[in-house]
Amino acid sequence: GQSLEQPSEVTAVEGAIVQINCTYQTSGFYGLSWYQQHDGGAPTFLSYNALDGLEETGRFSSFLSRSDSYGYLLLQELQMKDSASYFCAARPQDYGGATNKLIFGTGTLLAVQP
Amino acid sequence: DGGITQSPKYLFRKEGQNVTLSCEQNLNHDAMYWYRQDPGQGLRLIYYSQIVNDFQKGDIAEGYSVSREKKESFPLTVTSAQKNPTAFYLCASSTLPGRLAKNIQYFGAGTRLSVL
Repeated sequence: GQSLEQPSEVTAVEGAIVQINCTYQTSGFYGLSWYQQHDGGAPTFLSYNALDGLEETGRFSSFLSRSDSYGYLLLQELQMKDSASYFCAARPQDYGGATNKLIFGTGTLLAVQP
Repeated sequence: DGGITQSPKYLFRKEGQNVTLSCEQNLNHDAMYWYRQDPGQGLRLIYYSQIVNDFQKGDIAEGYSVSREKKESFPLTVTSAQKNPTAFYLCASSTLPGRLAKNIQYFGAGTRLSVL
């Protein structure tokens, strides 16, 4: 089976740095993505790692280590508007042909406090 | 203004009734997806389609049906066989990039389905 586990909740203060972890058990996947979802809203894409290492996109960075079956999303200079749920998502390998489906993690609710 | 439109925003189902959720996209994307989200939970894949007139079951397809007669449209029917349909339903679309390329899914605003 394939599963991606995340902490259920994380709390941090405005201006701080927070790391949201994603550990996975999957037979193989093409890349790890991160999505943000504000309460009751549509998820939006944040970042993607095809290979091991760090990818930086403004205040957000994402890291992947396939050997450790682990990835994380790093949010810097936290703002109140960053309060939302964050999901990691893996694109499973499909040896029967290319597939674009994603397996989503359990999600982490980030609360940013003043 | 490109995007994905889901309707209705709220939907109520009576016992034994089938209901259909609409999803339309004007992004010219080949692939479309339906997800179910329960409170405090992640997104679970119901069905997906990578080409017109073809679709595949996701992890929780039982009690649901779909069609893909047009590239732009991917309606989801919640049948009476789905005994616990109350959830937030999200539709998404994407291109079909290469294996290591970014697979960005664009989501609609969702439909909240409740049982009367």
